[in-house]
Amino acid sequence: GENVEQHPSTLSVQEGDSAVIKCTYSDSASNYFPWYKQELGKGPQLIIDIRSNVGEKKDQRIAVTLNKTAKHFSLHITETQPEDSAVYFCAATQTDRGSTLGRLYFGRGTQLTVWP
Amino acid sequence: DSGVTQTPKHLITATGQRVTLRCSPRSGDLSVYWYQQSLDQGLQFLIQYYNGEERAKGNILERFSAQQFPDLHSELNLSSLELGDSALYFCASSVDVLNEQFFGPGTRLTVL
Repeated sequence: GENVEQHPSTLSVQEGDSAVIKCTYSDSASNYFPWYKQELGKGPQLIIDIRSNVGEKKDQRIAVTLNKTAKHFSLHITETQPEDSAVYFCAATQTDRGSTLGRLYFGRGTQLTVWP
Repeated sequence: DSGVTQTPKHLITATGQRVTLRCSPRSGDLSVYWYQQSLDQGLQFLIQYYNGEERAKGNILERFSAQQFPDLHSELNLSSLELGDSALYFCASSVDVLNEQFFGPGTRLTVL
């Protein structure tokens, strides 16, 4: 099955700085890569995703890049704010029609702390 | 709020007991996924249902079972509980296997 590695496990930044979290995956058939934010006591919240036919996607202060050749993808958060503090998870899966897959394989998470 | 609901929020029980966790997917979503989150294993996929039928199984123990009902809600049954089953259990739903998965708030299970 798929194996997703995520780094770093903890990340501390000053408010206003940028944060980058990196993930690698092992299965070249994976074609959908979501990122989730999990706050304490809550379920994972989808914040951005990217499909393998796209190299980069942005949504306000959040962006995700994908390098299919190297099998890695990254989350970039600019102008960080204290409310960005949470655990961030990357994931990978296949979503081809007709496949029984669609289950998400998750990285181990990154605890992001943004200091005011 | 993702639109996925899970009950109960917390569950405390003893070893050897059986519990049922309930999930209601977002309106219109046909696919339901169950995940387990623990410090040891991280977020692990357990099982997936699509429109009432089982579609995929992950690392789900034989003591665990699930089903999806005609109204599309799903239940995860955990039996002969062990201390190691203590974890957060999340349900997620999506329109189908091609689209985004939205997670519920989870059920925290504590086995004493």
